[in-house]
Amino acid sequence: KAGVTQTPRYLIKTRGQQVTLSCSPISGHRSVSWYQQTPGQGLQFLFEYFSETQRNKGNFPGRFSGRQFSNSRSEMNVSTLELGDSALYLCASSLAGEDTQYFGPGTRLTVL
Amino acid sequence: AQSVTQPDIHITVSEGASLELRCNYSYGATPYLFWYVQSPGQGLQLLLKYFSGDTLVQGIKGFEAEFKRSQSSFNLRKPSVHWSDAAEYFCAVGALHAGKSTFGDGTTLTVKP
Repeated sequence: KAGVTQTPRYLIKTRGQQVTLSCSPISGHRSVSWYQQTPGQGLQFLFEYFSETQRNKGNFPGRFSGRQFSNSRSEMNVSTLELGDSALYLCASSLAGEDTQYFGPGTRLTVL
Repeated sequence: AQSVTQPDIHITVSEGASLELRCNYSYGATPYLFWYVQSPGQGLQLLLKYFSGDTLVQGIKGFEAEFKRSQSSFNLRKPSVHWSDAAEYFCAVGALHAGKSTFGDGTTLTVKP
C-alpha cells in the first residue's frame, strides 16, 4: 500500500506571496492532519480534516487554511507569506476512528 | 491541556550500548502515546504506540517502551544501539481521534563508533 505523499517536496517563495501544498493520504484513510515543524517551535498542529470537514484546529492565524476533497486528498494554503512561515510542513493520515497517524515526507517551504 | 516533555535534548551513546530516551506526559484522560523517529529532512516514522493493555510495548527496529501511569512516563529503550539509529526521536500524546497529537521537542541521538 502506498504511503502518504506530499507535493511539492521543496518550495521557495517570497514574502507576501501565497502557497498551496498538497497531501495524498494512504488509500482508505479519511483523516488528514497538518503540522508545521520549525527548529524554534518544534512540531505544531495546524488542523485536521475528516470527511471534508475541519474537525480540529491549532493556534495559527487565519492566513493558514486548508481543505479536503471527496477522495480525502488535502491541500493547505498559506496566504501573505512571512519569513517565519519557513518550515517543514508535514501531513499525516489515519483511518476513520483509528488512532495511528502515518506521516508523509513533508514539504520544505523557504520564504525569502 | 495535554503536553509532552522530553528532558534530554541530545544524547550520545556508543554503538552496541543500551539506550533509554525519556518522555513525560500530561494528559487528563487515558493517553494514547507514540514514539516516532525522524531522519534529517524526512517525515516521521512510527516506532511504537500504546493505547491500553500490556504496559510494555514492542516496536519496530528492536525498540520497546514502557508505560508507567504513576510516573506519567513512556520511556523508549533499545538494548543495543546501531549506527543507523542516529536520528531525532519524538514522543507524542494523542486523544481518541489521533488527528491532533501533541509532540515533545525531540531528542537527538548521536551514535559513536
